[in-house]
Amino acid sequence: AQTVTQSQPEMSVQEAETVTLSCTYDTSESDYYLFWYKQPPSRQMILVIRQEAYKQQNATENRFSVNFQKAAKSFSLKISDSQLGDAAMYFCAYRGDSNSGYALNFGKGTSLLVTP
Amino acid sequence: NAGVTQTPKFRVLKTGQSMTLLCAQDMNHEYMYWYRQDPGMGLRLIHYSVGEGTTAKGEVPDGYNVSRLKKQNFLLGLESAAPSQTSVYFCASSATQWRYNEKLFFGSGTQLSVL
Repeated sequence: AQTVTQSQPEMSVQEAETVTLSCTYDTSESDYYLFWYKQPPSRQMILVIRQEAYKQQNATENRFSVNFQKAAKSFSLKISDSQLGDAAMYFCAYRGDSNSGYALNFGKGTSLLVTP
Repeated sequence: NAGVTQTPKFRVLKTGQSMTLLCAQDMNHEYMYWYRQDPGMGLRLIHYSVGEGTTAKGEVPDGYNVSRLKKQNFLLGLESAAPSQTSVYFCASSATQWRYNEKLFFGSGTQLSVL
């Protein structure tokens, strides 16, 4: 099974500043999907951004963008102009293949604290 | 649309008791999944189903059983609950193929405590 590693259990950022959350993964596939999910205290799982491996262009969704380095198997999330509402647990995930029913493999998560 | 509905939302069990968690989706999705979430461990796949009548083991299947008798429902059973099964359980579903805008739809989770 593919492994997803988030090496930062906790991160802190000041309001209006920029923060980058790290994620690395291991796979032998050439075409795959990667995701970042946000989980606020409500426990809801919210899709933040997705990246398709065959697309070299980094995905962007408003203040959220990724730095996808396919050769290095790195998929970091950058949050610009951080807001108090960005405080949450963030999970990086890799979509498995048909052998696992296309299930998502999640990292252990990074807890993001946003300070005023 | 209700999306993915999990029942119950909270439950407390005693060791050795049994229970069933129900996941229902109204989006005609083929794929359904059960995950558990523990502090510092992320979400781990318990079992999954690729269609009505099918089930398969995920990463942490021990102590759990599942059934998918109807396409819209995916049941997760604990035959003899153990304290190690204290966790938050998430159900999720997706369409047959992950086309460009497809995504995984999650339920709101079930907090289970086993004493």
